[in-house]
Amino acid sequence: QVQLVESGGGVVQPGRSLRLSCAASGFAFSAYAMHWVRQAPGKGLQWVATISSDGNKGYYPDSVKGQFSISRDNSKNTLSLQMSSLRAEDTAVYYCAKGQYYDGSGHFDYWGQGTLVTVST
Amino acid sequence: EIVMTQSPAILSVSPGERATLSCRASQSVNSYLAWYQQKPGQAPTLLIYGASTRATGFPARFSGSGSGTEFTLTISSLQSEDFAVYYCQQYNDWPRTFGQGTKVEIK
Repeated sequence: QVQLVESGGGVVQPGRSLRLSCAASGFAFSAYAMHWVRQAPGKGLQWVATISSDGNKGYYPDSVKGQFSISRDNSKNTLSLQMSSLRAEDTAVYYCAKGQYYDGSGHFDYWGQGTLVTVST
Repeated sequence: EIVMTQSPAILSVSPGERATLSCRASQSVNSYLAWYQQKPGQAPTLLIYGASTRATGFPARFSGSGSGTEFTLTISSLQSEDFAVYYCQQYNDWPRTFGQGTKVEIK
């Protein structure tokens, strides 16, 4: 069965950086695009990054472009999200999700349980 | 950016009754529309994709319809386990965008 396990969340000061990871198992990780989606406390879902199956193509909304960087290691079945210059508004639960296809098209068919990032002094 | 608007924000329904949730896109997303169910303290789960295809594990009382800019999620007879927040999402264009969610609560 598909399993996605996020880690790396915690409390971080404004302006600092943090790296999230997602360990994937139960499917051919290298064949599928992967995504990060966040959810601020009590709020809705916001897509923040997508990476193609081969890692060569990344997509971001304007709100995090240049601030977040998505990457993957297909040899270790691991997805990462490097976040820099963090602000209070980046406080959220961050979910990794498996894409339907290799190129980032399609829906998000499996989600991890999320990791909480709190940006605060 | 395609804006997804869900209505109503909160839907109060008695168990056994029908629930109808709406999702509107600011421009056509064809049939590239998914619905996700999120229960308190849990991650979202894929419910419907391609506007009308039910994901594995969800019963037939859940159905999706629509194309272009107007979409509907119908739960034909609400069960206790269906009370949750439902989000629509378009994957026709970048950036991927979600609606703000509809909370289905017990009346």
